[in-house]
Amino acid sequence: SQTIHQWPATLVQPVGSPLSLECTVEGTSNPNLYWYRQAAGRGLQLLFYSVGIGQISSEVPQNLSASRPQDRQFILSSKKLLLSDSGFYLCAWSWGGNQPQHFGDGTRLSIL
Amino acid sequence: KQEVTQIPAALSVPEGENLVLNCSFTDSAIYNLQWFRQDPGKGLTSLLLIQSSQREQTSGRLNASLDKSSGRSTLYIAASQPGDSATYLCASAGANNLFFGTGTRLTVIP
Repeated sequence: SQTIHQWPATLVQPVGSPLSLECTVEGTSNPNLYWYRQAAGRGLQLLFYSVGIGQISSEVPQNLSASRPQDRQFILSSKKLLLSDSGFYLCAWSWGGNQPQHFGDGTRLSIL
Repeated sequence: KQEVTQIPAALSVPEGENLVLNCSFTDSAIYNLQWFRQDPGKGLTSLLLIQSSQREQTSGRLNASLDKSSGRSTLYIAASQPGDSATYLCASAGANNLFFGTGTRLTVIP
C-alpha cells in the first residue's frame, strides 16, 4: 500500500530564516505530487504540483519554491520566511488529475 | 476561477441523526468532486470521489451526490456518531488542481 510522510509536524521559525519541508511517498512510482497551504480561516490553496522529476508548476506567486529531486520526494523551500507564510502545509499525491488525492499529516508552521 | 462554497460553516446534531452537508461550485467543467474529512490539526482523509459522469457514490453510512448542471454536491451521513465529529471539506477537481471549500465543522453530541 502507499504511504505519504511529511516532516516536521510542527515548526517555529523567525522571520527572515530559511525553510525546508520534506514530503516522501512510498509504495508507488511516478506519482503526481502537490503542496497545499491552509491559512487560518481560509480554504486549502494549491501552491505547487509536479508530474515528474524536476517538473514543477506554481499556482500562485509567492515567497516559496518547490523541488522534486527524486521521483517520490517533494520539497518546499524558502530563502527568507515572511509572517504571511504561517499556516498548515499539506503534501498530497495522486495517480493523475482524475484520481483521488491522498494527503500527509501536514506541517504547522508558525513564524515569529 | 472555480469558487467552492460550503454551507453551513458549522453544524451540531445529536447522535443518531441523519444529516446533509452542502457544497456548491461556480464552474461546472469539473473532472470530479471529492469529499474529505479533516480532524483537528491533522491532514485530510479522502471519503468519496464522484467522477463528473456520475451522480452519486456510497461508502458505508456516507452518500455523496453530484449535480453538475446546478453546481451542487451533497454529503449525506446516516445515523451520525460522535466519531463523525470533524471538519468536512469538498473539493472540485480541475486538470491538476483541487479547489477546496472552507469546510463544515460537524459536532455530533452523544
